[in-house]
Amino acid sequence: DVKVTQSSRYLVKRTGEKVFLECVQDMDHENMFWYRQDPGLGLRLIYFSYDVKMKEKGDIPEGYSVSREKKERFSLILESASTNQTSMYLCASSLADRINEKLFFGSGTQLSVL
Amino acid sequence: AQSVAQPEDQVNVAEGNPLTVKCTYSVSGNPYLFWYVQYPNRGLQFLLKYITGDNLVKGSYGFEAEFNKSQTSFHLKKPSALVSDSALYFCAVRDDQAGTALIFGKGTTLSVSS
Repeated sequence: DVKVTQSSRYLVKRTGEKVFLECVQDMDHENMFWYRQDPGLGLRLIYFSYDVKMKEKGDIPEGYSVSREKKERFSLILESASTNQTSMYLCASSLADRINEKLFFGSGTQLSVL
Repeated sequence: AQSVAQPEDQVNVAEGNPLTVKCTYSVSGNPYLFWYVQYPNRGLQFLLKYITGDNLVKGSYGFEAEFNKSQTSFHLKKPSALVSDSALYFCAVRDDQAGTALIFGKGTTLSVSS
């Protein structure tokens, strides 16, 4: 089975800190995604990447950046954490083959910014 | 622009009764449509998808969904609900002409009572 691993299940940070959320997938997927999940708002796309060193902005990229130096790893960076970035962050990956398209999600990182 | 709507925040149904979770979408091109489920304290899991072909799509755990192009809908259905179906359900869409990332709805909480 595909495994998408997020480095932390729970994370507590202070306002203004730089925060790194790491995601690793083990199935050689081309596409990787970062979403945040908030009650009543569903999943909102922050950034995605369809190849190494490539990135595309999603619907809510402000305050975030990403890095994809290796195919299996996709990092989300909060340059200066703020309280409104307290959320559940979900990483996902998928093949580039659209006929067999299916997202595989990690377990999520619950980030609290105090 | 692509969008997806789930008009109900919560659906309540008795065990053994049929269930429907509604989803409507808007895309410029042809839609790729998906349902994902999130069980309590677990990551999102793929249920089923519509890419092309038969309008009735069968998925995991006895769920199915019906694609209706004229009504731009993709409702999730199950003939007989189980208590274990209680979860948060997300509809997602991608425009076949608009790139790689899925856009998710806000989610519908399904509660099945015994």
